[in-house]
Amino acid sequence: DQQVKQNSPSLSVQEGRISILNCDYTNSMFDYFLWYKKYPAEGPTFLISISSIKDKNEDGRFTVFLNKSAKHLSLHIVPSQPGDSAVYFCAVYTSGTYKYIFGTGTRLKVLA
Amino acid sequence: DAGVIQSPRHEVTEMGQEVTLRCKPISGHDYLFWYRQTMMRGLELLIYFNNNVPIDDSGMPEDRFSAKMPNASFSTLKIQPSEPRDSAVYFCASRYSGGRVAFFGPGTRLTVL
Repeated sequence: DQQVKQNSPSLSVQEGRISILNCDYTNSMFDYFLWYKKYPAEGPTFLISISSIKDKNEDGRFTVFLNKSAKHLSLHIVPSQPGDSAVYFCAVYTSGTYKYIFGTGTRLKVLA
Repeated sequence: DAGVIQSPRHEVTEMGQEVTLRCKPISGHDYLFWYRQTMMRGLELLIYFNNNVPIDDSGMPEDRFSAKMPNASFSTLKIQPSEPRDSAVYFCASRYSGGRVAFFGPGTRLTVL
C-alpha cells in the first residue's frame, strides 16, 4: 500500500497561471514534507519543504501548504513558467528514521 | 563541492549478467540512500546507510540485489543475476544528519535485455 499518493500523473497549465500539485499521505507520524523537481536525464533536485508545525512555507514563486487534518500537501507555483515543466515528487519523512518516502510524481507541462 | 556522483550513467546488459552501480556521496554526508525509479512505483527506497552501516534494507526486492558501503566516499549496488524487470533508473542520494534534505545524483539508467 502506498503511503504517499500523487493522484494526478500529469497537469498542463498556461504560462503565467497558477499550477497546483497535490499530494496525500496516510501516516500522521510524518513530520517533514518536501517537494523535489526532476528534469529528464537528471536526478531529483530539492525545491521546497515544510515542517509539520507549520501550515505554509513560501519561497519566491513556490508555496507549499500543509493540511495535517486532511493529511494533504500541495505545491503552488505562481506564475508558472515554461522552465517549470518537469516531474514533481512529494516526499515525506519521520524525524529519527532518516527515511524519505516518495510519491509517484506529477508531470507538469507549462504551455507558452 | 561536487554533488553526488554516479557511474555509469547508462548500462545495457543481458539477462543473467552481473551489474554493479557505483556512487560517491557528497563529502561530509553521513547518510546514503539507493532509490529505484519506475513508472508504476515512482521512487522506491531500496536501502540506506548511516556511517557506512546498512540501516534499512527492507526495500531491496530480492536476494539478487546487494549493496555495500566500504568507506564514507563509496557505495555499490550490485544485481546478480540481472533480469529484464530490473530495468529502471537507479539513484543514489546523500544527506548530512544535521540537515533535512537529501541530495540526489544524476542516476544510472539500467536496461536489461
